Amino acid sequence: EPEVTQTPSHQVTQMGQEVILRCVPISNHLYFYWYRQILGQKVEFLVSFYNNEISEKSEIFDDQFSVERPDGSNFTLKIRSTKLEDSAMYFCASSGRGSTDTQYFGPGTRLTVL
Amino acid sequence: AQSVTQPDIHITVSEGASLELRCNYSYGATPYLFWYVQSPGQGLQLLLKYFSGDTLVQGIKGFEAEFKRSQSSFNLRKPSVHWSDAAEYFCAVGGWASGGSYIPTFGRGTSLIVHP
Repeated sequence: EPEVTQTPSHQVTQMGQEVILRCVPISNHLYFYWYRQILGQKVEFLVSFYNNEISEKSEIFDDQFSVERPDGSNFTLKIRSTKLEDSAMYFCASSGRGSTDTQYFGPGTRLTVL
Repeated sequence: AQSVTQPDIHITVSEGASLELRCNYSYGATPYLFWYVQSPGQGLQLLLKYFSGDTLVQGIKGFEAEFKRSQSSFNLRKPSVHWSDAAEYFCAVGGWASGGSYIPTFGRGTSLIVHP
């Protein structure tokens, strides 16, 4: 069964550094998403992406965040200048037709900011 | 704004016992409701979803959930738990965002511990 993959599984970085989290969505999917989960808290929506542009973003997704689909397979989340409070598990998801289609989640990248 | 409450942070059951995980939601219109499971080191996997129709929804791995509008609940059940069911379970309510995307709002999750 096709699945969403994410790399790396764990990223440790210093505060103020830039990080790029990578995701490979399911190949025929059209909608892509990033979520995050701070330890012990809820899974929170960050951004959705369709047709090479952001279709929705939450209040969390401020100017330090950006997303990109640089080629036909990868979907990346960049955090420009990391803060301690960015430490979380970041999940990528993709869905086929968007709307109410099932979102398939990757295993997540645990980001630790020191 | 939509929200989800999972009142139980941890639930411990014996293998073979029945299970019910609670979920209450708040949403202004007819909700789309989901249950996801997350095993250690894995992503979120959809167990079942409710959009409309029969309020008792069957999912994968022997799980079912019942939508009760009067109680704003969508509790997850399984008649006989297996040790492999030990995982984190997330309830979510979906809603249309202003930009036209469909975004689920998740609860905090319930950790299921299964004793042999």
